[in-house]
Amino acid sequence: DIQMTQSPSSLSASVGDRLTITCRASQSIRSYLNWYQQKPGKAPKLLIYAASSLQSGVPSRFSGSGSGTDFTLTISSLQPEDFATYYCQQSYSTPLTFGPGTKVEIK
Amino acid sequence: EVQLLESGGGLVHPGGSLRLSCVASGFTFDNYAMSWVRQAPGKGLEWVSGIRGSGGNTYYAESVKGRFTISRDSSKNTVFLQMNSLRAEDTAVYYCAKDLERETVAGSGLDPWGQGTLVTVSS
Repeated sequence: DIQMTQSPSSLSASVGDRLTITCRASQSIRSYLNWYQQKPGKAPKLLIYAASSLQSGVPSRFSGSGSGTDFTLTISSLQPEDFATYYCQQSYSTPLTFGPGTKVEIK
Repeated sequence: EVQLLESGGGLVHPGGSLRLSCVASGFTFDNYAMSWVRQAPGKGLEWVSGIRGSGGNTYYAESVKGRFTISRDSSKNTVFLQMNSLRAEDTAVYYCAKDLERETVAGSGLDPWGQGTLVTVSS
């Protein structure tokens, strides 16, 4: 199975901050990497697919990059509604696997 | 609008069974793979199982292999998860999710997700 790791596991940030979350796969997954946002009590929401493609309806302040084993999710200017937990997920092969999550909290 | 609505969760004793359903609407059901993903209380996301749009191929996490069975009924636009020999560690919110673009289970993201149904395994 492909193992996914994320860093940091949590962070505190302020509105307007630029934020970067990293995700690493245990082997090359080419660009089969997706990012999700989850708020408490809600279902996850797809933000980025295929490493860098912005899902329809997602604000342009979200962006993704990377290929192979190393990936990043960037939020260019953090907004109040962005405080949530973010997960990466590989879709290169089954079993599909998720990273442990990064919780973004208000400073 | 694409919608997924799960049902079938509840309280079950260890060793018991439960069948989850996910009714889909707003898209051509047979053209997309479907997955079940769970989230234990206070924990992260764990993919459980997936099924191709055609229904011909099914895939499972090692943690549920041999105990859970995924299936789909295109006449009802519904995907099922039959869960047998349930354990305390199966306690979680179970989400169904549609593959974003593909008929195959791997290769794309999961979007959208249903609201989830809670399964509690306890004596």
